[in-house]
Amino acid sequence: GENVEQHPSTLSVQEGDSAVIKCTYSDSASNYFPWYKQELGKRPQLIIDIRSNVGEKKDQRIAVTLNKTAKHFSLHITETQPEDSAVYFCAAPPGGADGLTFGKGTHLIIQP
Amino acid sequence: DTAVSQTPKYLVTQMGNDKSIKCEQNLGHDTMYWYKQDSKKFLKIMFSYNNKELIINETVPNRFSPKSPDKAHLNLHINSLELGDSAVYFCASSQVGAQYFGPGTRLLVL
Repeated sequence: GENVEQHPSTLSVQEGDSAVIKCTYSDSASNYFPWYKQELGKRPQLIIDIRSNVGEKKDQRIAVTLNKTAKHFSLHITETQPEDSAVYFCAAPPGGADGLTFGKGTHLIIQP
Repeated sequence: DTAVSQTPKYLVTQMGNDKSIKCEQNLGHDTMYWYKQDSKKFLKIMFSYNNKELIINETVPNRFSPKSPDKAHLNLHINSLELGDSAVYFCASSQVGAQYFGPGTRLLVL
């Protein structure tokens, strides 16, 4: 099955700085890589995703990069704001099947 | 016009009881899922249903049983609840790729 590793587990950055969260996956057949944001007491919400035929995708201050050869993908948040504070999860489907295997999450803290 | 909804939001019960959590989606998606999030925030898939067929069944105890009366609903029934079942349970649905989560049900077993 798919194994997804996520680092770091906690990331503290100054407001306005950039934040980068990295994930690796094990199943080379995986072809879809979403990122979710979960605020305290709320549901995980999809913020950006990328498919294996694309190397990078950007949406305003958020970008995701994918390196299929190395089997890793990263979330980049620029010009961080207090409302970016949350737990972020990466995920990948096991062998392209339904369902997602999630990383263990990164607690992002934006320092004012 | 909530896309994925769950009831109840909170569930407090005694060990040994049987309980159900209901989930409904109005997105027209073909596949629905149940995830468990433990106290360390780890999210793990439990089940998925596609057109009323179970297509993923992770190694969860057989005390947990998903039931899908139709494509828009996937309920979770839990028999003989144990202390370790305390967690947040999320329902989700998807069509191709992106999954959308319900608000979660916080289960506390005393």
